[in-house]
Amino acid sequence: AQKITQTQPGMFVQEKEAVTLDCTYDTSDPSYGLFWYKQPSSGEMIFLIYQGSYDQQNATEGRYSLNFQKARKSANLVISASQLGDSAMYFCAMREGVNSGNTPLVFGKGTRLSVIA
Amino acid sequence: EAGVAQSPRYKIIEKRQSVAFWCNPISGHATLYWYQQILGQGPKLLIQFQNNGVVDDSQLPKDRFSAERLKGVDSTLKIQPAKLEDSAVYLCASNAPGTGVINEQFFGPGTRLTVL
Repeated sequence: AQKITQTQPGMFVQEKEAVTLDCTYDTSDPSYGLFWYKQPSSGEMIFLIYQGSYDQQNATEGRYSLNFQKARKSANLVISASQLGDSAMYFCAMREGVNSGNTPLVFGKGTRLSVIA
Repeated sequence: EAGVAQSPRYKIIEKRQSVAFWCNPISGHATLYWYQQILGQGPKLLIQFQNNGVVDDSQLPKDRFSAERLKGVDSTLKIQPAKLEDSAVYLCASNAPGTGVINEQFFGPGTRLTVL
């Protein structure tokens, strides 16, 4: 069964510094996709970045990058130059069968990031 | 493009009462998901629809929860009777398979349910 583990319940980072949020996963399917979502206090889930299991390079989207280590089954999110608006819950999620398109996401428990001025 | 709409945004009921939530996905999105997010946890799938058919409802507590998507567009999720442990945020999401490898799910703002 697929599983996502986020071991950091909460993290603090100084404004303008970089921060890494950890995520490990477990699946027996060789084809899968990894997602990171941001959930501010308002509650909506905002898609940040995606990494496919067959992607050769680590994904990047603006200030977000994904440190994908397939052999270790980890997909850590790196946020560079943190901003006060980055304070939120961050969820790592996985979908098996990356090309099927309509399988549900399995989420981790999340990490609460607090950016300090 | 309009996003996923959900209503109500907040609902407070007493245990054993009934409640219903509504979701309107993004136009053209055939797949619709209902997730339950208990405080301090990540969302967990309750049910998945493809058009008006159920794909996966293995984690739906069918003795009290029901969901439908009669015309393959909007959907309702009902709880009858509610228990204290049903207090959670109920998130609706949709996507349109075949639009790319990512096939990102788009989430609505959620309905926060408090059962007293």
